[in-house]
Amino acid sequence: DTEVTQTPKHLVMGMTNKKSLKCEQHMGHRAMYWYKQKAKKPPELMFVYSYEKLSINESVPSRFSPECPNSSLLNLHLHALQPEDSALYLCASSYYRESNQPQHFGDGTRLSIL
Amino acid sequence: DAKTTQPPSMDCAEGRAANLPCNHSTISGNEYVYWYRQIHSQGPQYIIHGLKNNETNEMASLIITEDRKSSTLILPHATLRDTAVYYCIVRVYNTDKLIFGTGTRLQVFP
Repeated sequence: DTEVTQTPKHLVMGMTNKKSLKCEQHMGHRAMYWYKQKAKKPPELMFVYSYEKLSINESVPSRFSPECPNSSLLNLHLHALQPEDSALYLCASSYYRESNQPQHFGDGTRLSIL
Repeated sequence: DAKTTQPPSMDCAEGRAANLPCNHSTISGNEYVYWYRQIHSQGPQYIIHGLKNNETNEMASLIITEDRKSSTLILPHATLRDTAVYYCIVRVYNTDKLIFGTGTRLQVFP
C-alpha cells in the first residue's frame, strides 16, 4: 500500500479542457515531485517542490502548471494538452530535497487526451 | 551523470533466489545506488539503497562491489508477486534527480 495518494486514478480529457491532478502525503515529507511516464518507458522528472516552493522545472511546457498549497498536497493543473501528453503521471515525496532518503511514489494518474 | 546498465529481462523459478545485476562504472564516490521496482499499473516501489556497504532489509539484499562499479539486488525467495520491472538508479549527487534506466523485466514462473 502506497502512502502517497493520487487522484483520480484515470482521467480522460479533451484538448480544450482544464483539469487538475491531486497528490497527498501525510508522512511529514517536505519535498514533493511530479514525474511523467510514457508507455514502456521509465519515469522522467517534471517538477520538484521543496518546502512548498518550486525548486526545479525540467523545461516542462506551460500547459502543465504545478501548485503546492501546503506541505501535504501537490496539484498539477492541466490546460490545452496535446495527445502526446497522454501518459502516467506519478507523484513522489521524500523527507527533504537532496536527502539520501528514498522518494516514495504514488500509483499515478493515467491520463488520456482525446 | 552516472549511467546504469541492466539486462533487459530475466527469469527466475518461484522459491529460488533472483539475482539482478547492474553496472554503474562511472559512479562517483558520493553517489548512492537505489533499487526500485514497478509492477504493472502501479507506481515505482522503493526496495533498497546503499553507498558502499552491503545492505539488507525485509525485501532484499544489495551487494555492491568493492570498486562500486557494479551491484546486485538479491530477492532471496522469489514469488510470483515479485514479477515486475526492476530499476537500478544512481542518485545524482546533491540533487533530487532519480534518473531511471530501462530496467530489468523479471519474470517469476511457477
